Amino acid sequence: GNSVTQMEGPVTLSEEAFLTINCTYTATGYPSLFWYVQYPGEGLQLLLKATKADDKGSNKGFEATYRKETTSFHLEKGSVQVSDSAVYFCALRNQGGKLIFGQGTELSVKP
Amino acid sequence: DAMVIQNPRYQVTQFGKPVTLSCSQTLNHNVMYWYQQKSSQAPKLLFHYYDKDFNNEADTPDNFQSRRPNTSFCFLDIRSPGLGDAAMYLCATSSDSRRTDTQYFGPGTRLTVL
Repeated sequence: GNSVTQMEGPVTLSEEAFLTINCTYTATGYPSLFWYVQYPGEGLQLLLKATKADDKGSNKGFEATYRKETTSFHLEKGSVQVSDSAVYFCALRNQGGKLIFGQGTELSVKP
Repeated sequence: DAMVIQNPRYQVTQFGKPVTLSCSQTLNHNVMYWYQQKSSQAPKLLFHYYDKDFNNEADTPDNFQSRRPNTSFCFLDIRSPGLGDAAMYLCATSSDSRRTDTQYFGPGTRLTVL
């Protein structure tokens, strides 16, 4: 079956620190991979996506590369800000299928 | 801006009193989804419409119903809310159900059951 596993949170960083949130997946076929961000009390916003192996998605300083050989899609940012504090969800989608979410990783950035 | 709109943002209802949540979209997308999200959890898909075709998830309780009267609007009806139905309800849309299609989420409706 299809599943997504994210590193457990909460992750607490100081402002300007480097961020990595690990995401690995199990899937049949060739899924697309997504990162969504959810700020407190809000819906999910698409952060970035990649639709095939070796694609890199990027947005607002965040990046993730679709690694088929390691079945991973780790989220990185070189210098986090307080405003990046949120919950981050990794997700996959196969053809005609549901969006399968990881459990979410809470990020807290301190000034 | 094209978007997904949910009303109301906060809804309070009483135990057993029917409630309807509303979602509208200006994206002209074919597919509309309803998710339930409880605290500190990932969203859980309840059902979706592909155009007029309704697709229920196997584990969605019968207490939850949905209507899609036209392309733009979709409603979630909870017939007899229980305390366990208190959650954030998220509406999402996508242009189609291909693996490359992004789902776009609304801001959510926070439901409180007294």
